Parts: sequence; C-alpha cells; structure tokens
Amino acid sequence: SQTIHQWPATLVQPVGSPLSLECTVEGTSNPNLYWYRQAAGRGLQLLFYSVGIGQISSEVPQNLSASRPQDRQFILSSKKLLLSDSGFYLCAWSAQDRDTQYFGPGTRLTVL
Amino acid sequence: DQQVKQNSPSLSVQEGRISILNCDYTNSMFDYFLWYKKYPAEGPTFLISISSIKDKNEDGRFTVFLNKSAKHLSLHIVPSQPGDSAVYFCAASAGSARQLTFGSGTQLTVLP
Repeated sequence: SQTIHQWPATLVQPVGSPLSLECTVEGTSNPNLYWYRQAAGRGLQLLFYSVGIGQISSEVPQNLSASRPQDRQFILSSKKLLLSDSGFYLCAWSAQDRDTQYFGPGTRLTVL
Repeated sequence: DQQVKQNSPSLSVQEGRISILNCDYTNSMFDYFLWYKKYPAEGPTFLISISSIKDKNEDGRFTVFLNKSAKHLSLHIVPSQPGDSAVYFCAASAGSARQLTFGSGTQLTVLP
C-alpha cells in the first residue's frame, strides 16, 4: 500500500530564516506530487505541483519554491521566511492517471 | 474568483439524523468531484468521489449527488455519528495534471 510522509510535524522559525519541508511517498512510482497551504480558517491553496522529476509548476507567486530531486521526494523551501508564510502545509500525491489525491499528515509552520 | 464554493461555514446535526453538505462550482470544465474530511492538525482524508457522467455515488453512510445543470453537488451522511464531526471540503478536478480546486470547507458538528 502507499504511504506519504511529511516532516517535521511542527516548526517554529524566526522571520528571515530559511525553510525546508520534506515529503516522501512510498509504494508507488511516478506519482503526481502537490504542495498545499491552509491558512487559519481558510481552505486549501495549491502552491506547487509536479508531474515528474525536475518538473515543477507554481500556482501562486510567492516567497516559496519547490523541488523534486527524486521520483518520490518533494521539497518545499524558502530562503527567507515572512510572517505571512505561517500556516499548515500539506503534501499530497496522486497516480498519474487518477484524480484522487492522498494527503500527508501536514506540517504546522509558525513564523515569529 | 472562487470556482468552488461552500457557502455554509458550519452545520450542526443531531446524532442519527441526516447531514447534508453543499457545494457549488462555476467552471464547466470540472469533470470529477471529491469530498474530503479533515480533523484539526491532520491531513484531509478522501471520502467519496463522483464523475461528471454520473449523478449519484454511494459508499456506506456517504452518498454524493451531482446536479450538473445547477453546477451543484451535495454530500449526504446517514445516519450521522459524533465521529463525523470534522471539516468537510469539496474539490473539483480539471486540467492536465488533474489539479484539485478546493472549497473553503464546512465544519460539521454532530451532537450526541
């Protein structure tokens, strides 16, 4: 069966510090991978998606970037965090020809 | 412009009764619709989906109805249980990477 991991679970970072969140998927090959953010009391906003290694599409221009160095690894980064980057970050995967996305446990990021 | 809307931010229902959660969409290119359930500080869990070629899909206590002419879908939960208390998101799919567009969510509270 497929499993998706995210770490860390929680993170508190000062403004201006760098960020690296990691997501890995097990039990499937060549998945589509996604990064979402949920701000407090809001819905899910798609940040980035990837259909293959090195292929990243950005949905919202912002202070963040994403990379996919391996087939089942998706990384969300920032060089300098802003207060507005606080939120709940979710990674998800789907099979290449399927609509259903499966989400990881999420990372709660607080920027102070 | 919100392409997927959940106009009720909250809903309270008595245990054993029916819960009906509603969702409206504006983009006629959407051809697949999903419902997710989310507990606080966890990733969303896939519940049930429906293709645009159908108008109803049932899975146990959960039934999703799609009215394409009205661009409206609903999730029925019968009977409702206290463990169903969570935020429910509807999502719609279109596009080459099968991206999901999410509604803002409805907080369902099932009262014992």
